[in-house]
This record gives sequence, structure tokens and C-alpha cells, in this order.
Amino acid sequence: EAQVTQNPRYLITVTGKKLTVTCSQNMNHEYMSWYRQDPGLGLRQIYYSMNVEVTDKGDVPEGYKVSRKEKRNFPLILESPSPNQTSLYFCASSSGGSTQYFGPGTRLTVL
Amino acid sequence: GENVEQHPSTLSVQEGDSAVIKCTYSDSASNYFPWYKQELGKRPQLIIDIRSNVGEKKDQRIAVTLNKTAKHFSLHITETQPEDSAVYFCAAAPFSGNTPLVFGKGTRLSVIA
Repeated sequence: EAQVTQNPRYLITVTGKKLTVTCSQNMNHEYMSWYRQDPGLGLRQIYYSMNVEVTDKGDVPEGYKVSRKEKRNFPLILESPSPNQTSLYFCASSSGGSTQYFGPGTRLTVL
Repeated sequence: GENVEQHPSTLSVQEGDSAVIKCTYSDSASNYFPWYKQELGKRPQLIIDIRSNVGEKKDQRIAVTLNKTAKHFSLHITETQPEDSAVYFCAAAPFSGNTPLVFGKGTRLSVIA
């Protein structure tokens, strides 16, 4: 089944404790992206990647890191999480400007 | 860069009525305009999209129209049903490969039975 997976789905952590949210797709898509969703602000792009070893900042990259060592994986790293990073995070992938598929989401709470 | 404005932010309609959501964009290079539906607690899913060489596209009760001159596009839902209640997002991007989609802030549609 073609899909985008994210782990974990839910995470409660404390300020400053490094964490990684994994994202994987099995559709051989070149393009992958991370968004955060906050009430009233819609979907805001954090980082995106057009292919392996190519990443670019989105609209709200501060406090986040990404890597794209393999085509299928695009982890999101929070080196020192802060409460303002409490949000719902979505990973997405697409191929050649076509439909963007979203993962199931990760709800992160930083205390 | 691209900026997408979406209106209204909330919309309530009676079951069976039509709903219209409008978006404007700023970058004349944009030529791909998808619409996503996000049900409560779920991920956004594509419901319809339109490319700049087409003015209108329909899929059963859903239609999208595009006016490139005015830089706006709209989602039309006819004969609304309670299961249409969700948040709808419009987006825009140049269809030139793997370029980022820019999303509107969303419209919360409530269909009242």
C-alpha cells in the first residue's frame, strides 16, 4: 500500500530534550516536506527536500533540522525543543508536481 | 514568493445548500491549484486540483474554477451533506517539478442537518 508514515504519532517531552520525528514514504517520491499546523494558522512549511541530500528552508525553519540521506526518509529533528514548538506536525511527499500525500500527523507537546 | 489568501475562515450552510470557498494568489507563475479536505483528527487529503490550462473542473458535487487574470480560484460544493463538514485548504504552486505548495489558512465548513 502506497503511504507516508510518521513516528511517533504522539509525543510529550520536556524543554531542551532532543527529539526526532521520523517520516518515511514507499512511493519513490523525490519531494518531501514537513509542515506544522496550529489553530488559525493553517499549514506552515518548515523544511522541504527536492531530492536526496537537497534540503531547503520553508516558512518557519527556526528550531528545526532535517536530513535527507535516503530517498524514502526525511526525519525532523528538534535539537532543543521549546514550548512554542508544541504543535501538530505533518510530513508529506509528492512526485513531479503532482498530488502531495500527507502522513498521519504527529502531535507534539513540549512542557 | 507566493502568498495565498483564503476566505471565509468559517462557513456554515444548511444541508443541501451550496458552499463556496475562495482563494487568491500573488505569484503569476503559479499554475497548479489543489484543494485539500481535512476531517477532524485526520490528515489533509486531496479532493480536486486544477492546472492553469483549464478554467473549470468538476468531480460529482465538487467543482473548482480558476481565473488566472484575476489570480483567484474557488471551490464549489453543491448539495452539501453532513460528511462535507471539515476544514478545506487551497494551495498554489508553479507546476515545474518539485516546488513547494503554499497553503491558504483554511476554511472550516459546517453543514447543518
